[in-house]
Amino acid sequence: AQSVTQPDIHITVSEGASLELRCNYSYGATPYLFWYVQSPGQGLQLLLKYFSGDTLVQGIKGFEAEFKRSQSSFNLRKPSVHWSDAAEYFCAVGHSPIQGAQKLVFGQGTRLTINP
Amino acid sequence: DAGITQSPRHKVTETGTPVTLRCHQTENHRYMYWYRQDPGHGLRLIHYSYGVKDTDKGEVSDGYSVSRSKTEDFLLTLESATSSQTSVYFCAIRPRDLTYEQYFGPGTRLTVT
Repeated sequence: AQSVTQPDIHITVSEGASLELRCNYSYGATPYLFWYVQSPGQGLQLLLKYFSGDTLVQGIKGFEAEFKRSQSSFNLRKPSVHWSDAAEYFCAVGHSPIQGAQKLVFGQGTRLTINP
Repeated sequence: DAGITQSPRHKVTETGTPVTLRCHQTENHRYMYWYRQDPGHGLRLIHYSYGVKDTDKGEVSDGYSVSRSKTEDFLLTLESATSSQTSVYFCAIRPRDLTYEQYFGPGTRLTVT
C-alpha cells in the first residue's frame, strides 16, 4: 500500500538558516508528489508538486523540493527561512486504488519552529 | 482561493448527538473529499465524491456518512458522535483537469464532550 513517512515530527531552525524537511514514500510506479503547508488555524496550501521531468521543482514562498527515485525521497528545502515559515508541513503522494479514484495519502506532518 | 467554505467553523457537541458538517464550493468541481486531521496522523480520508450522488469510502469511514445532492455541497454526518471523533475536519476539491492535486477549505474544529 502507498505510504508516506516524514521522519521528523518537529524541527527548530534559526531565522536565516537553511531548511530541509524529509519525506519518504512507498509507491510502485512513478509517483505524483506534493508538499502542503498549514499555518496555525488555517487550511492546507499547496507549496509545490512533482509529476515528471526535472527532478528539482520550484514552489511558492522560495521553497524547492528534489525527487530522488533511488532513495524514494522528496525532500523540501529552503535556503533561508523567515519567521513566517513557522507552520506544519505535509508531504503527500497520489494514489489510485481503482480507476478514477484519485486520492492523496499524507505523511504525519513536520512542525517547523523558527527561532529569532 | 479555491472558493471553498466550511460550516460551522467550530462546534462543541455531546456524545451521542448527530452532527452534520457542510462543505460548499462555488466553482462547480466534480471531485470533493472529506478528511480528518489528528496529531501524529496527518490527514486521513473519510469519504470522497466524484459527482452528485456518487460517493465512496476512504480509509477511516466508520461512524461517518456523506451526501451530495448538489454539485456545490458535500455534507459529512456523524450519526452519533463519539469522543474519538473530536478532530479538525477538512474538505477539499480536485479540479477535473488536474491530476491528484487538491485544494482545501479552512476546516471545522469539532469537539465531542
